[in-house]
Amino acid sequence: SAVISQKPSRDICQRGTSLTIQCQVDSQVTMMFWYRQQPGQSLTLIATANQGSEATYESGFVIDKFPISRPNLTFSTLTVSNMSPEDSSIYLCSVAPGTSYNEQFFGPGTRLTVL
Amino acid sequence: GQQLNQSPQSMFIQEGEDVSMNCTSSSIFNTWLWYKQEPGEGPVLLIALYKAGELTSNGRLTAQFGITRKDSFLNISASIPSDVGIYFCAGLSNNNAGNMLTFGGGTRLMVKP
Repeated sequence: SAVISQKPSRDICQRGTSLTIQCQVDSQVTMMFWYRQQPGQSLTLIATANQGSEATYESGFVIDKFPISRPNLTFSTLTVSNMSPEDSSIYLCSVAPGTSYNEQFFGPGTRLTVL
Repeated sequence: GQQLNQSPQSMFIQEGEDVSMNCTSSSIFNTWLWYKQEPGEGPVLLIALYKAGELTSNGRLTAQFGITRKDSFLNISASIPSDVGIYFCAGLSNNNAGNMLTFGGGTRLMVKP
């Protein structure tokens, strides 16, 4: 497994602003992922952020809205840009350590409220 | 895209009762994972299943990977109040970047002491 921390744990932001969420892992991992969990809903994958390559975005998510950085094997950031109330969600990062990449472990999440 | 149908959506049971929930899909998955999420926290991995037909236990939890590779179930025996939370199934498949998880809609479990 892996120990994952996220900052901030929660934030309340104004419409039109941007927020950068940080994800820190206690070990080096190649595969990291960013998910969104809207209120009362399940998790939806935003993008896969592997170190050394551009992030791969899922359908419905674009880089201009959710730019991602992956500068090294223990850290990643997700920016939610030009926010609107519809962006109010929990944003979670996860990692797939090990060699098989079959198991994903999640951070505690960042609870974002956009007014 | 792929979808996982998870049922039931919610359960309200008496402490000590057994619980069963399941996920079905129209697609085949290589791995099935079961997670539990409590308020204010991220999902915690409970059980991972890798082979069709595999039956795996973790304490009072038992999960099975369906033979068709399109379904999985999770059983909780002798429930206790700390079992309260939302349980998610997730199927692992490959996308262009590697592995991706598709999540079921979740089962909200409430346990009455």
